[in-house]
Amino acid sequence: NAGVTQTPKFQVLKTGQSMTLQCAQDMNHEYMSWYRQDPGMGLRLIHYSVGAGITDQGEVPNGYNVSRSTTEDFPLRLLSAAPSQTSVYFCASRRQGQESQPQHFGDGTRLSIL
Amino acid sequence: GENVEQHPSTLSVQEGDSAVIKCTYSDSASNYFPWYKQELGKRPQLIIDIRSNVGEKKDQRIAVTLNKTAKHFSLHITETQPEDSAVYFCAEPRRPGTYKYIFGTGTRLKVLA
Repeated sequence: NAGVTQTPKFQVLKTGQSMTLQCAQDMNHEYMSWYRQDPGMGLRLIHYSVGAGITDQGEVPNGYNVSRSTTEDFPLRLLSAAPSQTSVYFCASRRQGQESQPQHFGDGTRLSIL
Repeated sequence: GENVEQHPSTLSVQEGDSAVIKCTYSDSASNYFPWYKQELGKRPQLIIDIRSNVGEKKDQRIAVTLNKTAKHFSLHITETQPEDSAVYFCAEPRRPGTYKYIFGTGTRLKVLA
């Protein structure tokens, strides 16, 4: 299993450009999430999904859209990039269960907005 | 609130000493408490977790303790080594349904040789 795969690993954008960060997992996990990590701020939840066709907002959703058309994929879209969105983005997945399960993370996408 | 309180934000210890990091959670019904380690430039990885039906769990040099009355859980690292230097995060799956997985702000541990 490859686990959680994120692409690209690095990206530089100009203010106002749009792009999609890709995330795919091959573990058949129901739950998927996107986090951003800024210095001193830890991991902040952007959006999450509990299954195909179902998404919801996290702590910092503004400026980002998500969709979940399949169990495997959970792309994150920046509609109009802003310098404040410069960050490292992590995708994570985990199994559904009555008891909580650990998160599995991708390697991250380092995004710079000029 | 959304935050999981984590202290300290930075911690320096001499090699061989112990390190303790503490997190305070908000939901008294929370039943799962994980700790993640993130080395520089890498992904966070689970190192130990505990469920609410036990008070302590050990795995070699690391342990997690849970105080449900005070609503906090702690990571203990004994006999620290330079490779323990990293950022450590606690997390709390939030109800309803534990869908939202909220992380603490992290503790940067530096082990001095």
